[in-house]
Amino acid sequence: KAGVTQTPRYLIKTRGQQVTLSCSPISGHRSVSWYQQTPGQGLQFLFEYFSETQRNKGNFPGRFSGRQFSNSRSEMNVSTLELGDSALYLCASSPRGLSEDGYTFGSGTRLTVV
Amino acid sequence: AQTVTQSQPEMSVQEAETVTLSCTYDTSESDYYLFWYKQPPSRQMILVIRQEAYKQQNATENRFSVNFQKAAKSFSLKISDSQLGDAAMYFCAYRPDPGAGSYQLTFGKGTKLSVIP
Repeated sequence: KAGVTQTPRYLIKTRGQQVTLSCSPISGHRSVSWYQQTPGQGLQFLFEYFSETQRNKGNFPGRFSGRQFSNSRSEMNVSTLELGDSALYLCASSPRGLSEDGYTFGSGTRLTVV
Repeated sequence: AQTVTQSQPEMSVQEAETVTLSCTYDTSESDYYLFWYKQPPSRQMILVIRQEAYKQQNATENRFSVNFQKAAKSFSLKISDSQLGDAAMYFCAYRPDPGAGSYQLTFGKGTKLSVIP
């Protein structure tokens, strides 16, 4: 059974550009969550999608957006990149997004903004 | 807002010995879930153990067990017979019951565990 796949694994972008990250959940999982991990702030919740609907959003500016497709794959987009957006972005999938289901994380996308 | 505190940024343990990682949390909810995740250098977060707040019995998974003290809002992880492969960052995480309308995990800052051969 394939795990959660995040692409690309590494990305270098210039300040002011935009970036799109992709997450393919485990087959059959309909919930996808995104987290930003930085040394200073730790792991912070970005948003969660279930069946193409955003159910939760974290405290991030509007430059951070996401979407989920009918096959449950999800993308997150960051526009007008800032140096502070450099981070490891992790995606997690779950059958229904319920705690008793558990979450499976991908290996993340390391974004560096220069 | 819920907060999760891990007061030990780094810990070390001798191979085959036992180590306990601490975690406290703050919440006004009565139903919630607590998790310990392990993040090795490969970056992937791996679920170690999970505890439902309404269950009195402490969860165990092989060499991993928790001491859950609901009144004290404490959730420590004990690793027995430590192995070199246990070396990693360990994160404590909290999630309220989805009935509260939240589907997010709140993580602590993590504890870096080193295992000494």
